[in-house]
Formats: sequence, C-alpha cells, structure tokens
Amino acid sequence: DQQVKQNSPSLSVQEGRISILNCDYTNSMFDYFLWYKKYPAEGPTFLISISSIKDKNEDGRFTVFLNKSAKHLSLHIVPSQPGDSAVYFCAANPASSGGSNYKLTFGKGTLLTVNP
Amino acid sequence: EAQVTQNPRYLITVTGKKLTVTCSQNMNHEYMSWYRQDPGLGLRQIYYSMNVEVTDKGDVPEGYKVSRKEKRNFPLILESPSPNQTSLYFCASAQLLSYNEQFFGPGTRLTVL
Repeated sequence: DQQVKQNSPSLSVQEGRISILNCDYTNSMFDYFLWYKKYPAEGPTFLISISSIKDKNEDGRFTVFLNKSAKHLSLHIVPSQPGDSAVYFCAANPASSGGSNYKLTFGKGTLLTVNP
Repeated sequence: EAQVTQNPRYLITVTGKKLTVTCSQNMNHEYMSWYRQDPGLGLRQIYYSMNVEVTDKGDVPEGYKVSRKEKRNFPLILESPSPNQTSLYFCASAQLLSYNEQFFGPGTRLTVL
C-alpha cells in the first residue's frame, strides 16, 4: 500500500512559469515532509522540508505547502528554470510514538521537464 | 569534500553468488540507510542504522543483510542474490538529530542474471 503518492509521473512547463508538484499521503501519523530532487546518474539531494505544525515553508524559488486536512502537500517552483529539470520525490516520516522511528517513506517521483 | 561513496558503481552477477556493496561516509554521521530504486516504485528503504551496532528494517528488507561495525561504513550484503534484486541501490547518511535530511551516494547499478 503506497502511503505517499505522487500521481503525476511527469510534468512539463515553460521556463519562467510556475511548476507545481503534488503529493498525497494516507498515513495520518506522518508529521514531517520533505522533497528531494534527483538528476540522472546522481543520488537524490535534499531540497526542502516542512513540519506538520506549519502550512508553508519557503526557500528562495521553492515553496512547500501542506494541507493536513486534505493530507496533501505541494512544491511550487517559481520561476522554473531548465536546471530544475529532474525527478522530484516527496517523502514523509511519522512522529515518534513512545519510541524512535527513523524510517523515511518516499513517493514514486515526478519527472519535471522545464523547456527553454 | 563531504561525501558518501559506494562501491562498486556497477555490478553484473549471477543468481546465488554472494555479494557486498560497500558504503562509506566522511561526515561523522550517526544515521545511515540503504534504498533501492525501481521503475514505477520510487525509492524504498531497505535497512537503516541509527549508530554503530544499531540497525533496523526498512520497508523491503527481505533478501538483504547489513552490519554497522564502524561509524563510517554500512555495507549491504546479498547472501544469495536473485533476479528480483536487480535494481539501483543508494546509500545515504545523516546526522541523527536531522536524519530526514540525508546525503545520498551516487548509486550502485546491480544486475542479477
């Protein structure tokens, strides 16, 4: 059962426009969410994160929005650049519940292509 | 340079022949983890380690073993590889207090015939 879902395998946008990547989750115990970016032939790199106590986190051109009631988060990239073309993974982990839980659950990824 | 290294980067082997993929990090990180990436399935966690001699199963541990005898190294062992373990494997490390923000290695492409 996929607990973190990225339903769009791919997304294509024009340079300078906004890219919006979506992620849904089913586990209500998740309380910390992240986005990772992956270029071909490289390992993923951490991009941005958000705690469940917030609904928005911004870092330069990247903003992550969290809607807990809808169990939905999104990554906005404004303005999009050709160098942003990569696979973007959404990830989540649950709050500790009386013990430690160091698992991280990833979605399947969305391939973003930014056209010049 | 801070990095996570994996060896080998590419490996073709046959069913049943034991193999080890090494992972090493030079950032003094407590947390290390192994993932596999498969088409249509994304990244799935195999095993992770919170510190030396402390390991735990991820979501897909079957057919794999790990050990953490030293802080910097976290080898992945396939005792009897099978074709369904053909995959792209990533090792990652992080500070334990911020384990969600992981540094990944470049990946190991494994093919089991």
